[in-house]
Amino acid sequence: AAGVIQSPRHLIKEKRETATLKCYPIPRHDTVYWYQQGPGQDPQFLISFYEKMQSDKGSIPDRFSAQQFSDYHSELNMSSLELGDSALYFCASSKLGLAYNEQFFGPGTRLTVL
Amino acid sequence: AQSVTQLDSQVPVFEEAPVELRCNYSSSVSVYLFWYVQYPNQGLQLLLKYLSGSTLVKGINGFEAEFNKSQTSFHLRKPSVHISDTAEYFCAVSGDRGSTLGRLYFGRGTQLTVWP
Repeated sequence: AAGVIQSPRHLIKEKRETATLKCYPIPRHDTVYWYQQGPGQDPQFLISFYEKMQSDKGSIPDRFSAQQFSDYHSELNMSSLELGDSALYFCASSKLGLAYNEQFFGPGTRLTVL
Repeated sequence: AQSVTQLDSQVPVFEEAPVELRCNYSSSVSVYLFWYVQYPNQGLQLLLKYLSGSTLVKGINGFEAEFNKSQTSFHLRKPSVHISDTAEYFCAVSGDRGSTLGRLYFGRGTQLTVWP
């Protein structure tokens, strides 16, 4: 079965640079979630989109922005990178339905800021 | 807001022994509860979930969890572990209000290490 695809899998950037992370949800899924997992930390919710509109916002820094495109893929744009942004970034997708919309997670993008 | 507490950061256990990973949550409303497993350098895989109904939930790989509303707990158990169960386990709870329905709140994780 198709899974959530994230690219790139690994990314190394310098401080103050920008980074773009991409997420391709499972086909026919309409909702995308972004989470950040710092070293030794629990995943923290950043932001989510439903049908290309922002549906919820968590602890996402102002330096970060995200959007969901017409093909439902999503991109997380990170500017003025700081050392503390080094983390594993997960994307999850789900399909809104009558029952709870289970989230399926991608393998993550590991961002290292030097 | 919801919060999740995983009481043990590390649980070492010998192969074929039983194991329990503890999880408590705080919420003023009904929630959905989950256990996820994360193998090294991989994403989060759903082990099991409690949405409603029977408080004993069975998941993949022989794991099960029991929802206890009065104690606000959702402990994960396995009667006999294998070396391949070595991984990080995360307990999570969903929001249950409006647009936060889908957001997951995670605990800090429990590293389960199974020794031969």
